[in-house]
Amino acid sequence: DAGVIQSPRHEVTEMGQEVTLRCKPISGHNSLFWYRQTMMRGLELLIYFNNNVPIDDSGMPEDRFSAKMPNASFSTLKIQPSEPRDSAVYFCASRLTSGRADEQFFGPGTRLTVL
Amino acid sequence: AQSVTQLDSHVSVSEGTPVLLRCNYSSSYSPSLFWYVQHPNKGLQLLLKYTSAATLVKGINGFEAEFKKSETSFHLTKPSAHMSDAAEYFCVVSDSYNQGGKLIFGQGTELSVKP
Repeated sequence: DAGVIQSPRHEVTEMGQEVTLRCKPISGHNSLFWYRQTMMRGLELLIYFNNNVPIDDSGMPEDRFSAKMPNASFSTLKIQPSEPRDSAVYFCASRLTSGRADEQFFGPGTRLTVL
Repeated sequence: AQSVTQLDSHVSVSEGTPVLLRCNYSSSYSPSLFWYVQHPNKGLQLLLKYTSAATLVKGINGFEAEFKKSETSFHLTKPSAHMSDAAEYFCVVSDSYNQGGKLIFGQGTELSVKP
């Protein structure tokens, strides 16, 4: 398996622009997680889905952020409009939720820079 | 609520000497615990996980961790450090059994290995 795939790997945009990050989870996994990593706040869970349904979006910073999972093999995280403080590395992770100690598999991340 | 504390933000060792990265957790339930490693500009990779079976857990690359309930600790060790071990290490506790498996991350410990 290719693992979790994220695109783009790097994104540089200007303030006010719309940004869309994409994630393809590992085939057969039924849970998907979006994280944000910054020096100041470390790793933060933004939102996660079970069986394509959003379960907990309490980590989404504000209404400018939205996430969708239209099917089991694709998810997007959108920021509109983007701001410089959104600059961070965004990770997607997936897992097969079948028990207590199921680890999450992380993608390589998207490094977002908002100028 | 569950939480995890990594006691050192930075650890520096010489190549060939032992590694100890400390982690304490707080959990109302019997926890699931993980150690993840993140090399520079890479995603997170699972090192090992505690599944309530053996308290001494062996992982990849010669790392191991011991679950000590009485001390609420899950310290990561390796007998002999290698230059390639230089990375950031995260101790992680899984949210309670019925909470969808959210991961609670520690703040991370940066491991430096001197030649």
